[in-house]
Amino acid sequence: QKEVEQDPGPLSVPEGAIVSLNCTYSNSAFQYFMWYRQYSRKGPELLMYTYSSGNKEDGRFTAQVDKSSKYISLFIRDSQPSDSATYLCAMSVGGGADGLTFGKGTHLIIQP
Amino acid sequence: GAGVSQSPSNKVTEKGKDVELRCDPISGHTALYWYRQRLGQGLEFLIYFQGNSAPDKSGLPSDRFSAERTGESVSTLTIQRTQQEDSAVYLCASSLVMGGPDTQYFGPGTRLTVL
Repeated sequence: QKEVEQDPGPLSVPEGAIVSLNCTYSNSAFQYFMWYRQYSRKGPELLMYTYSSGNKEDGRFTAQVDKSSKYISLFIRDSQPSDSATYLCAMSVGGGADGLTFGKGTHLIIQP
Repeated sequence: GAGVSQSPSNKVTEKGKDVELRCDPISGHTALYWYRQRLGQGLEFLIYFQGNSAPDKSGLPSDRFSAERTGESVSTLTIQRTQQEDSAVYLCASSLVMGGPDTQYFGPGTRLTVL
């Protein structure tokens, strides 16, 4: 079993829909959880960063962490074609300099 | 300001050759990371530097892989005697470790193809 599981998709939804992206993990020591967005042939860019359990909202994006279930989610409201990308969850034990453990990424397609 | 840059952007090499990949981190960032992204896979952590020392080399897949960093500046990842399974995108990231949440900023990657 991989440390972080993420459905690779593709996930295709119509413009304006609410998108739900998820990851599960096995290492209960993870405390820091991130979502990165990666466009084709580009490096990942950080979208959301959360510590421990709870919710965090930033514009159209909401990140949720449920440590008891070892489950994290990213919600995108009012999805736009420009949101079409691969979304990678990542996590680490420490919050300082630490190698991140990534999921495989979910390829998201927003249909105009 | 300038982000993380990597060179070359693409590298095609023959099996058995050595390759050197370069990363220029964001100025002032003390930590630097190397990851590998194989086709259809997530990013795989290779090594990180704090300054020019490497506290964690646990992700290097074999002794053919090595990395160096000069001060808090440029880093090179060297792969000796390349194999076809080394084909991947090699991503570099840097961060400003000041305590609290540490955000890693990624470069565009070097796409390595081993024929």
